[in-house]
Amino acid sequence: KNQVEQSPQSLIILEGKNCTLQCNYTVSPFSNLRWYKQDTGRGPVSLTIMTFSENTKSNGRYTATLDADTKQSSLHITASQLSDSASYICVVSALYGGTSYGKLTFGQGTILTVHP
Amino acid sequence: DSGVTQTPKHLITATGQRVTLRCSPRSGDLSVYWYQQSLDQGLQFLIQYYNGEERAKGNILERFSAQQFPDLHSELNLSSLELGDSALYFCASSYRRDPLDGYTFGSGTRLTVV
Repeated sequence: KNQVEQSPQSLIILEGKNCTLQCNYTVSPFSNLRWYKQDTGRGPVSLTIMTFSENTKSNGRYTATLDADTKQSSLHITASQLSDSASYICVVSALYGGTSYGKLTFGQGTILTVHP
Repeated sequence: DSGVTQTPKHLITATGQRVTLRCSPRSGDLSVYWYQQSLDQGLQFLIQYYNGEERAKGNILERFSAQQFPDLHSELNLSSLELGDSALYFCASSYRRDPLDGYTFGSGTRLTVV
């Protein structure tokens, strides 16, 4: 069964500090992995998307890594800001029959709270 | 503004009732996806339409149905509502039928069943 596990479930950090969120998946065959940021009551917004051949991708202060061998990804946030407070969701897409069918498996998310 | 429009933003209704949620995809996008997000739970994929046809089905209850119209907007119909149906319902859209390059979410409709 395809699964995506995120850790920690929640995290509290002080403004200006760095943090790393983890995502482990068992989705197979793997197509791509995305990180989304979801503010409370809003729709998720894409941060990064990585395919099998990519092992790191940055978007401003957000840097995602992917280890396809161990089926792990991380999202590193540098110099956190109050506006980084949100839920961060890892989403893994499965590949079927040579085409990306787009079947997505969502993690439960990590709730990040940044305090001043 | 993501370009994906969902209406209404909030909806309060009683158990046993039927409601319709509407989604207008981003201009040029052909695929529409519906997701349910219950309190403290992750996003659950319900159903996908591509250019008017059902493309993929997830954990959608038989009491729920959806369709995509010729102008590409989509409606999600929820009937015989139960308290447990209270959730945020998100619509997302993408150009391709397989969202390799990701897709864009709307702001959601918050449904409260009382």
